[in-house]
Amino acid sequence: DTVLTQSPALAVSPGERVTISCRASESVSTRMHWYQQKPGQQPKLLIYGASNLESGVPARFSGSGSGTDFTLTIDPVEANDTATYFCQQSWNDPTFGGGTKLELK
Amino acid sequence: EVQLVESGGGLVQPGSSLKLSCVASGFTFSNYGMNWIRQAPKKGLEWIALIYYDSSNKYYADSVKGRFTISRDNSKNTLYLEMNSLRSEDTAMYYCATGVYYFDYWGQGVMVTVSS
Repeated sequence: DTVLTQSPALAVSPGERVTISCRASESVSTRMHWYQQKPGQQPKLLIYGASNLESGVPARFSGSGSGTDFTLTIDPVEANDTATYFCQQSWNDPTFGGGTKLELK
Repeated sequence: EVQLVESGGGLVQPGSSLKLSCVASGFTFSNYGMNWIRQAPKKGLEWIALIYYDSSNKYYADSVKGRFTISRDNSKNTLYLEMNSLRSEDTAMYYCATGVYYFDYWGQGVMVTVSS
């Protein structure tokens, strides 16, 4: 299985720019996708194919990367972006990263 | 509006069986691959099964292979997950989700607790 590694937590102030990283244990090309999960809710797709913004998702969210290193950027961060963010690869059987919990200062 | 509504969860004993359902609306269900994805309490997400739009292909995570069966009834817009030989480590929120490579719509989830 392809293992995806994310840093567990980040804290930023509203209005700042935040980057959330995801590293794959092997190359997944651009088959990386990002989700946002707020407490008590189901995950929501933000980015697919490493850099494609899902319809209806604010342009404050963007994704980049290829191969093994990927980044989700939120710029600027807003108060309601408090959530856990997961990466997911589809190069082989889908696997998810452990999630990065984003907190606002 | 796309809606996915799961049902059938509950508290069961180890070794028992359970069948989950996911009723879809707001899109052409028969055109979409469908998945089951679970999340253990306070844990991350685990994909467990995929079924193609026409049931021609089914894929499973190793953790459930041989114990769980994914199926669908396109005439009823319904996805199923039959779970046998349940273990404590199967305790999780179970979500159904659309898509083959990534998961664009998710249900609200149904809780399955395996405990004696």
